Amino acid sequence: DADVTQTPRNRITKTGKRIMLECSQTKGHDRMYWYRQDPGLGLRLIYYSFDVKDINKGEISDGYSVSRQAQAKFSLSLESAIPNQTALYFCATSDLFPHDEQFFGPGTRLTVL
Amino acid sequence: AQTVTQSQPEMSVQEAETVTLSCTYDTSENNYYLFWYKQPPSRQMILVIRQEAYKQQNATENRFSVNFQKAAKSFSLKISDSQLGDTAMYFCAFMKRSMDSNYQLIWGAGTKLIIKP
Repeated sequence: DADVTQTPRNRITKTGKRIMLECSQTKGHDRMYWYRQDPGLGLRLIYYSFDVKDINKGEISDGYSVSRQAQAKFSLSLESAIPNQTALYFCATSDLFPHDEQFFGPGTRLTVL
Repeated sequence: AQTVTQSQPEMSVQEAETVTLSCTYDTSENNYYLFWYKQPPSRQMILVIRQEAYKQQNATENRFSVNFQKAAKSFSLKISDSQLGDTAMYFCAFMKRSMDSNYQLIWGAGTKLIIKP
């Protein structure tokens, strides 16, 4: 079974709709991240959380919000989706140290029409 | 400003050949961490290799090795005896200390590597 899971895997929605992407992990890591991947731009950090009570904005947090419901769960919301939020979204987890590997979920491909 | 630069958008080589992917980065820090991640067509991101800046010895993982040139701020990935399964996007990433003293991974734009049979 996958250590980091994301739901849904694919989603098509319309402009103005509220969307929630969910991430769950069984690795027991405290640190979780949401990234966005666009062609030619690599990955960009949206939000990250170092424990249940800690939420931090990343490079591109505008238009997004997150919720850390438990150590194992970290959700990303788009309150009012817009077409330029069409992208591939990844959740990742890591252990305590900066050099620790980040483990990624399979990604959610989101299309906003 | 882009902190990590991968100058080769796409490369292709024949199976069994050796290929080198380039990466340069910008930092004023002395101690930091560098990573290469692989994203095959399945889109799963997988760590290939990592390097700690204070270690002078280049990291090696089986067929994968790096050429870390700290003064030049260069971190290239060499894949020896390339295999069809190496076909993927390869991302260079730099662990940067952010304004709030937390660490964040800053990613390059990626290099698409195609291994031809």
